[in-house]
Amino acid sequence: DAGVTQSPTHLIKTRGQQVTLRCSPKSGHDTVSWYQQALGQGPQFIFQYYEEEERQRGNFPDRFSGHQFPNYSSELNVNALLLGDSALYLCASSGKQRGGREQFFGPGTRLTVL
Amino acid sequence: KNQVEQSPQSLIILEGKNCTLQCNYTVSPFSNLRWYKQDTGRGPVSLTIMTFSENTKSNGRYTATLDADTKQSSLHITASQLSDSASYICVVSARNYGQNFVFGPGTRLSVLP
Repeated sequence: DAGVTQSPTHLIKTRGQQVTLRCSPKSGHDTVSWYQQALGQGPQFIFQYYEEEERQRGNFPDRFSGHQFPNYSSELNVNALLLGDSALYLCASSGKQRGGREQFFGPGTRLTVL
Repeated sequence: KNQVEQSPQSLIILEGKNCTLQCNYTVSPFSNLRWYKQDTGRGPVSLTIMTFSENTKSNGRYTATLDADTKQSSLHITASQLSDSASYICVVSARNYGQNFVFGPGTRLSVLP
């Protein structure tokens, strides 16, 4: 089991461009959550996908959108990139376990907007 | 409001020393509490997970405690090593529908030789 995987590991874009980040959940997990983590800060919740639908959303603008595929993998899309979008983007997957849901994180995608 | 607070914000200790990190939460209804270790620029890695009925759980040199009555948890690191330098994040899960993980701000630990 490869755990949660994310691609790419690093990405450099310029302002106004669009970006797509990808995540494959841990085997057996059905829920994918995306987080933005600025340098020196804790992760901020963007949104969560379950059964191919956005189940809940944090305080992020509509420029941030996502998708979940039938195999539970997910994409995060960010349009009209701003300098402030530079951050580590973390994907976490979770699945039902005894004692409550566990959440496992991927290694993250480092996005730099110039 | 569901919140998780951690203290101290940062900590510097010498290699070989012990330390304790604190986590207070107001998340309800409580499901479980997990401590993560996050190296700079990397994804968080789970250290321990504790449910309501568990008071103590160990993972090598890491020992977590949970007091569900006072809604407090601690992470004790024994015989620290240079590789323990990282951010330690407390995450509390609530038993409800949707996004149910509340993150603390983390404690930045630096272990010096």
